[in-house]
Amino acid sequence: RKEVEQDPGPFNVPEGATVAFNCTYSNSASQSFFWYRQDCRKEPKLLMSVYSSGNEDGRFTAQLNRASQYISLLIRDSKLSDSATYLCVVPPLNDYKLSFGAGTTVTVRA
Amino acid sequence: DAGITQSPRHKVTETGTPVTLRCHQTENHRYMYWYRQDPGHGLRLIHYSYGVKDTDKGEVSDGYSVSRSKTEDFLLTLESATSSQTSVYFCAISETWGQGLGEQYFGPGTRLTVT
Repeated sequence: RKEVEQDPGPFNVPEGATVAFNCTYSNSASQSFFWYRQDCRKEPKLLMSVYSSGNEDGRFTAQLNRASQYISLLIRDSKLSDSATYLCVVPPLNDYKLSFGAGTTVTVRA
Repeated sequence: DAGITQSPRHKVTETGTPVTLRCHQTENHRYMYWYRQDPGHGLRLIHYSYGVKDTDKGEVSDGYSVSRSKTEDFLLTLESATSSQTSVYFCAISETWGQGLGEQYFGPGTRLTVT
């Protein structure tokens, strides 16, 4: 099983809609989780960190489900500018080697 | 934005030639990483550094070497470039490891084409 797995999508939603997608992780002892966004042909940028049950930043909410070992990202009131690929990251416990999920593509249409 | 630059930003080279990519940071972060990103594979770690002259292999290190002689610079060398090394290369930095390792800041990337 891969350390981090994401639904690749694409999720194609209209402006103003809510979209949510999950990231599953294999190590039940993981304590921190991160979401990055990557625009086409650009570098990944840190979107949100989650160290407890969840985190919220404006229209973005991350929720952690430890029992089922997944973390979700929910985007409310989607904007055209939210169109991007969202990468999930779950750090290893005693290593420097970070594993990125393959990403979930979101396209917001007018 | 974190102070990370990569050079060159674009490069076309021929098979068999050596290539060196440079990553430069002004954040004084201890940890530096080289990734490659290819369609269908996502980001894959090539090499990383946990201090000056301290480096180790990632998951796709074959054909690559690195050096870090100063905190701010991390060099990636393709000793003899092959077409399979055509990719986008990202450098990243982080201040901590362990559970904070996920907070990484990326450079703008280098697009390398090996013909």
